[in-house]
Amino acid sequence: GIQVEQSPPDLILQEGANSTLRCNFSDSVNNLQWFHQNPWGQLINLFYIPSGTKQNGRLSATTVATERYSLLYISSSQTTDSGVYFCAVEKGGTSYGKLTFGQGTILTVHP
Amino acid sequence: NAGVMQNPRHLVRRRGQEARLRCSPMKGHSHVYWYRQLPEEGLKFMVYLQKENIIDESGMPKERFSAEFPKEGPSILRIQQVVRGDSAAYFCASSRGQGRGNEQFFGPGTRLTVL
Repeated sequence: GIQVEQSPPDLILQEGANSTLRCNFSDSVNNLQWFHQNPWGQLINLFYIPSGTKQNGRLSATTVATERYSLLYISSSQTTDSGVYFCAVEKGGTSYGKLTFGQGTILTVHP
Repeated sequence: NAGVMQNPRHLVRRRGQEARLRCSPMKGHSHVYWYRQLPEEGLKFMVYLQKENIIDESGMPKERFSAEFPKEGPSILRIQQVVRGDSAAYFCASSRGQGRGNEQFFGPGTRLTVL
C-alpha cells in the first residue's frame, strides 16, 4: 500500500512562532487532506489539497503532487494550535475511499 | 447543516459483550467510512460502505467485526465478544461521492473501553 511519512514527529513552539510540517507520500494520490486532532480527540478538517496551494487565516498548505509531498504552514502560532496534525492520502487509481494516515506531528505551543 | 453524528460518544463494555457503534453521515452524503485509532497508534482504515453495499472491507479484522449501512437509518459498526485489545477510538467519516474531489468529513468518534 501507499506509505505516508510526516515530519517532524514532535514540535515545541513559543506562542507567536511560525512552523512548517511536512508530509511525504510514496505514490500518486487522488486526494490529500490535513487534519488537526485537538486535545479532546476531535478530528478537524484543515485542508483538502490534492495539488496546489490554499490559505485559511494563519494556516496555509501546498501540495506538489509530482514530487509527492505536501507542506502545512502555521504562522503566529497560538496555544489553541496544540494537538496532533495528520496528513492523509487516498491512493490514485481505483483505491477509492480509503484514506491512509501518516503517524502525525505532535505540536505543543507554550504561552 | 449538521456534521457527521456518532453515538454513543463513550461506550464501556465487559469482555465478551457486544458493542454497537452508530454513525449518521452528513446530509447529502451517501458514502461512509470507519477508522480506528488504537492507543499510541495512528488512524487506520477499516471499511468503506455505500447504502446497502460494502465497497472495501480490507481493513476489518477477519473475526468479530461487521459493518452495515442499511437503506434507512445510520451505519452500524458491530463488534462481537469484545476483548481488551478492542479498546480504541472509532471514527466515522462521510463524503458526497468517491474519488478525486470528494473530501471526507469526520465525526467526533466513539471511545470504546473494554473492562
